[in-house]
Amino acid sequence: AQSVSQHNHHVILSEAASLELGCNYSYGGTVNLFWYVQYPGQHLQLLLKYFSGDPLVKGIKGFEAEFIKSKFSFNLRKPSVQWSDTAEYFCAVNALKGGGFKTIFGAGTRLFVKA
Amino acid sequence: EAGVTQSPTHLIKTRGQQATLRCSPISGHTSVYWYQQALGLGLQFLLWYDEGEERNRGNFPPRFSGRQFPNYSSELNVNALELEDSALYLCASSLDRAHYNEQFFGPGTRLTVL
Repeated sequence: AQSVSQHNHHVILSEAASLELGCNYSYGGTVNLFWYVQYPGQHLQLLLKYFSGDPLVKGIKGFEAEFIKSKFSFNLRKPSVQWSDTAEYFCAVNALKGGGFKTIFGAGTRLFVKA
Repeated sequence: EAGVTQSPTHLIKTRGQQATLRCSPISGHTSVYWYQQALGLGLQFLLWYDEGEERNRGNFPPRFSGRQFPNYSSELNVNALELEDSALYLCASSLDRAHYNEQFFGPGTRLTVL
């Protein structure tokens, strides 16, 4: 069965620290990859996505992610976090099959940035 | 532009009852997705509707069902409620059924089964 693993459930960083959140998926077919973020009291919203082309994608608020097909990974990075990045981050995969797809989310990573 | 809306915000039911949750997608969007977010489990894919048809469903029993109306709004029905159905139910919409579209999420309906 397809699955998405986010290795860290909770991350605590100080402001200006670098961030890397891991995401691995298990599916041998074609995938589209997404990172969503949920800020406190807000809805889930898209940070960035990959579906073709350059495997290094840039999103909003200085976030980027790199698709490494050989490692089935799509890690999220930010060189210097801010207090306002405190949120829950979800990796998601659209696993394509037979003209359709299924969206699979990881369990999420709660990031707390200390001011 | 109005976002995805869901009603009710909270719903309290007892075991064995039925629950109906509603979702209105962003205007112009034809695809609607339903997810269950139980505590600590992330989002579990439930159902996907597009153009009035069920396109895919997750690994949930048949007592989870739904439909999409001609105006693209959607309903999720949960029959014979069990305690473990208590969760936040999220609805999302996307422009169409293209696999690369982002999904726009609503605020969710908190279902509590007593």
